[in-house]
This record gives sequence, C-alpha cells and structure tokens, in this order.
Amino acid sequence: DVVLTQTPPTLLATIGQSVSISCRSSQSLLHSNGNTYLNWLLQRTGQSPQPLIYLVSKLESGVPNRFSGSGSGTDFTLKISGVEAEDLGVYYCMQFTHYPPTFGSGTKLEIK
Amino acid sequence: EVQLVESGGGLVQPGRSLKLSCAASGFTFSDYNMAWVRQAPKKGLEWVATISYDGSSTYYRDSVKGRFTISRDNAKSTLYLQMDSLRSEDTATYYCARQDGGFAYWGQGTLVTVSS
Repeated sequence: DVVLTQTPPTLLATIGQSVSISCRSSQSLLHSNGNTYLNWLLQRTGQSPQPLIYLVSKLESGVPNRFSGSGSGTDFTLKISGVEAEDLGVYYCMQFTHYPPTFGSGTKLEIK
Repeated sequence: EVQLVESGGGLVQPGRSLKLSCAASGFTFSDYNMAWVRQAPKKGLEWVATISYDGSSTYYRDSVKGRFTISRDNAKSTLYLQMDSLRSEDTATYYCARQDGGFAYWGQGTLVTVSS
C-alpha cells in the first residue's frame, strides 16, 4: 500500500499566520492517465471529514482561496495563507492513484 | 443538496454480525461509485471498501476481505455494509462516501463498537 507521511503532526498558529503542511508519498502519485489523485481534507472536531482540494491543487466548491495545494510526484504541500479560527482541526492528505486508497496520519492545526 | 445518512451502528459482541446502511439523496445514486471509510476512536481515516456504480465490482481492504460485504440497491439509493465475524479492531465510526476521484461527500458516520 502507498504510505503517505504528513509533517508536522501538530501545528500551532496565530490568526493571520501562513502555514504549510507536507505530505510525502512512498510512490509517485502520477496516474497513467496523466492525473495525480492527491486530495486534502479537513476534519473539525466531532465532524465528518470535508474535502478541501482535489487533483493536487483544485479547490472544492465553497473552499476559501486562502487554501492552496501544490506538488507533484511524491511531494505535496497544503498552504493556508492567513489562518482563521475556523481552520482549526485535523488535516489529512489522501491518495487515489493506487488501490487501496490511503490517507496520511493527519496534521492537527491548533490556534494560539 | 447531497446527503448521505448512515444507520445501523451499535454495540456488538466479537464474532457477531452487523449491517450498516447509508441512504443517499440529492444526486443520481446509480451514477457513482460508493465507499465505506472508517475511523477508530482517536485515530486516522482508513478506507474499507468500494462498490462500482452498478454493483458489478467490489474492492476491500485486506483486513476485512471475507468478513465484510459491500452492496447497494440503486432503486432505493441505499448503500450497505454487511459485517460478519466482527473483531475488536473493527471498532470505529463508519462513514459512507461518494467516490469520484476522491471522496467529495461524506455522511455523518455511525459508530460500531465491538466488545464483550
């Protein structure tokens, strides 16, 4: 199975600060069809996960543009440009290029 | 509005069975592959199984193969997960999700606790 390694495990940020989360894959996530199926999700406490970004960098409908995704191959990054209080929770990367789909171990964003 | 509503969770003894349901609305259910994803208490997310849009293909994680069966009724817009020979390590919140290059929509989850 593809292993996704997320760092850091915990992130402490102030409101307005920009932060980045790294997701490294044990294999290239470039599919033979040319797409890279690397997504980012946010799970707020007590809630279901909600998708933020798909195909590395495409924002899901309704997601604020302070969120951005980048990367290729095995290295990917989620950036939040100007953290807001509602952004706290656990962020997961997940890959869909190889079966089975796998998730990173999560990065908990806490607000100072 | 897309809605996925799971039901059927509860407390069950090891070795027993449980069947989860997920009622879908707000989209054409028969057009989409569907999946179950679980989350053990205080742990991360783990894909469990996927079924193709027409039910012709199913996929399982190794740890549940032969014990869990994913199925669907497109006429009722409902997804199921039959869980047999349950183990303590199956204790988790089970989410159903619409699968389309990722998991764009999730239900609220149903908690399954396997304990004697």
